[in-house]
Amino acid sequence: AQRVTQPEKLLSVFKGAPVELKCNYSYSGSPELFWYVQYSRQRLQLLLRHISRESIKGFTADLNKGETSFHLKKPFAQEEDSAMYYCALNTNAGKSTFGDGTTLTVKP
Amino acid sequence: GAGVSQTPSNKVTEKGKYVELRCDPISGHTALYWYRQSLGQGPEFLIYFQGTGAADDSGLPNDRFFAVRPEGSVSTLKIQRTERGDSAVYLCASSPSADPYNEQFFGPGTRLTVL
Repeated sequence: AQRVTQPEKLLSVFKGAPVELKCNYSYSGSPELFWYVQYSRQRLQLLLRHISRESIKGFTADLNKGETSFHLKKPFAQEEDSAMYYCALNTNAGKSTFGDGTTLTVKP
Repeated sequence: GAGVSQTPSNKVTEKGKYVELRCDPISGHTALYWYRQSLGQGPEFLIYFQGTGAADDSGLPNDRFFAVRPEGSVSTLKIQRTERGDSAVYLCASSPSADPYNEQFFGPGTRLTVL
């Protein structure tokens, strides 16, 4: 069975500081990994997916199959980045598994 | 265009009652997912549909939970004999297909409270 672990429930950084939200997964097949974000009073929405290799709002994430990780990084955090972040894994069968989320607070 | 909608936004019921939660996906999306989110946890997979059929219902916790999507669009999650432990936010998401590369588009959720 697949599993996604986000070890930090809460993460607090100052504006302009680098930020890294950790995500580890376990899955015997080839995973498709995503980061979703939920801003205050908004619905869950996609931030980025590993297949696209894109940078969204300054965030990047690299899939490390050796360490089974997909950590989310941003070099200079902004106050508007404060939100709940979820790492998710999709299997070839279409099933999705989410981590329990990390609440990021960026302090001024 | 319109996103995924869910009704009702809030539902309060008594233990033992039956409830139905509705999801309207984005038009043309063939894949539809139901999740349950308890406080402090991430979305927990319940079931997903590809078209009208349930492709994977392995996340349904027991036989009190059932979901349908008779015409391949709107879906209803049905919970019989509700229990206090069923209290959670129920999320629906849709996707153009069940291709694992696809983004899922989420609705606002239905907050279910069982007294």
